[in-house]
Amino acid sequence: DADVTQTPRNRITKTGKRIMLECSQTKGHDRMYWYRQDPGLGLRLIYYSFDVKDINKGEISDGYSVSRQAQAKFSLSLESAIPNQTALYFCATSDRTSGAVRDTQYFGPGTRLTVL
Amino acid sequence: AQSVTQLGSHVSVSEGALVLLRCNYSSSVPPYLFWYVQYPNQGLQLLLKYTSAATLVKGINGFEAEFKKSETSFHLTKPSAHMSDAAEYFCAVSAGGGSNYKLTFGKGTLLTVNP
Repeated sequence: DADVTQTPRNRITKTGKRIMLECSQTKGHDRMYWYRQDPGLGLRLIYYSFDVKDINKGEISDGYSVSRQAQAKFSLSLESAIPNQTALYFCATSDRTSGAVRDTQYFGPGTRLTVL
Repeated sequence: AQSVTQLGSHVSVSEGALVLLRCNYSSSVPPYLFWYVQYPNQGLQLLLKYTSAATLVKGINGFEAEFKKSETSFHLTKPSAHMSDAAEYFCAVSAGGGSNYKLTFGKGTLLTVNP
């Protein structure tokens, strides 16, 4: 079984709808991240969480919110989806220990979201 | 602050030819550097990482990268391309031992391997 799973894998929705993307991990990592990937732009950080009570905005958090329900679960919500939020969304995890172990992130398979 | 520049959004090679994907970084502290690979319809997979030990880093699938501080580069190479290497490759930097744990990614390089 995969260490980092994301649901759904694909989603098509309409402008104005509320959407939730879910991420679960079995790696036992404390830190979790949400990124979006757009062609030609690489990955951009939306939100990150160091533990259940520590949630932080990334570089492109506007229009998104997150919830860390447990150490293993981190959800991303689009409160009112708009077409320019059409993208590939990735969840990632990393360990809390120091150095390169801390900075090494492990990615889920992604959710392809289309907002019409 | 840290940043990554990947030179060439698309690289095309013939099967059996040398693969060279370029990455230059900027960091105010000694960095950690990473290469990730993304196969079609999949997530990112760690290929290799530099963590201030050996400057020549070997990764999976025959790839390696050399950290050159004087050139602020971390180019990815493979002596002989295989069809299965066709994917998108991302270089990323973090601030090493600093408190900034975040990864900053380059925009990616799509590698095409021609038969």
